[in-house]
Amino acid sequence: GAGVSQTPSNKVTEKGKYVELRCDPISGHTALYWYRQSLGQGPEFLIYFQGTGAADDSGLPNDRFFAVRPEGSVSTLKIQRTERGDSAVYLCASSASGTGNSPLHFGNGTRLTVT
Amino acid sequence: DQQVKQNSPSLSVQEGRISILNCDYTNSMFDYFLWYKKYPAEGPTFLISISSIKDKNEDGRFTVFLNKSAKHLSLHIVPSQPGDSAVYFCAASGLVSGGGADGLTFGKGTHLIIQP
Repeated sequence: GAGVSQTPSNKVTEKGKYVELRCDPISGHTALYWYRQSLGQGPEFLIYFQGTGAADDSGLPNDRFFAVRPEGSVSTLKIQRTERGDSAVYLCASSASGTGNSPLHFGNGTRLTVT
Repeated sequence: DQQVKQNSPSLSVQEGRISILNCDYTNSMFDYFLWYKKYPAEGPTFLISISSIKDKNEDGRFTVFLNKSAKHLSLHIVPSQPGDSAVYFCAASGLVSGGGADGLTFGKGTHLIIQP
């Protein structure tokens, strides 16, 4: 079956611009996660949705970052006034329940480069 | 403060031999541990997991060992194959992790290179 799909796979933008990154989770997965992976680091948690609501957004670095999941399926990560330090691979993952001991399934990520 | 540590950035092993990847954690509230494998330009792929109530879990060539008293886990791959060359991430979860009970805290990864 289809896995987690992320678009675009690569995004180059100028400093100060606005970007949107899209995630289409595995069908039926209620839990959706966004992670960010910088060079030489492991993925770092950003935000977690259970259904339509953001259950935990404690990993968002500042108020330039925002994510939505209006219908409980597709999610969009939005970054305003991008900075060079935002350059990273943004990974989306979904899991069947989000209630414990359910492996996360990751997409291939969006590589964001801010010039 | 790194809660999940992989102290070896890289490891080189001959094909056919055993690969042992190590991971340490600091937070005793973690109750579920996972290993992910990552190829370049792809997302991490789930490999194997272990609950804190067990000390060993085996799946084919892959075995994960958990030593709770030492807060240490390891992944054994035997025999190692060329296709095993990848970056391996150790991850832990629990209600203290970001993002609900399944949210993961990752180590920095170990790049495993299988030499022919």
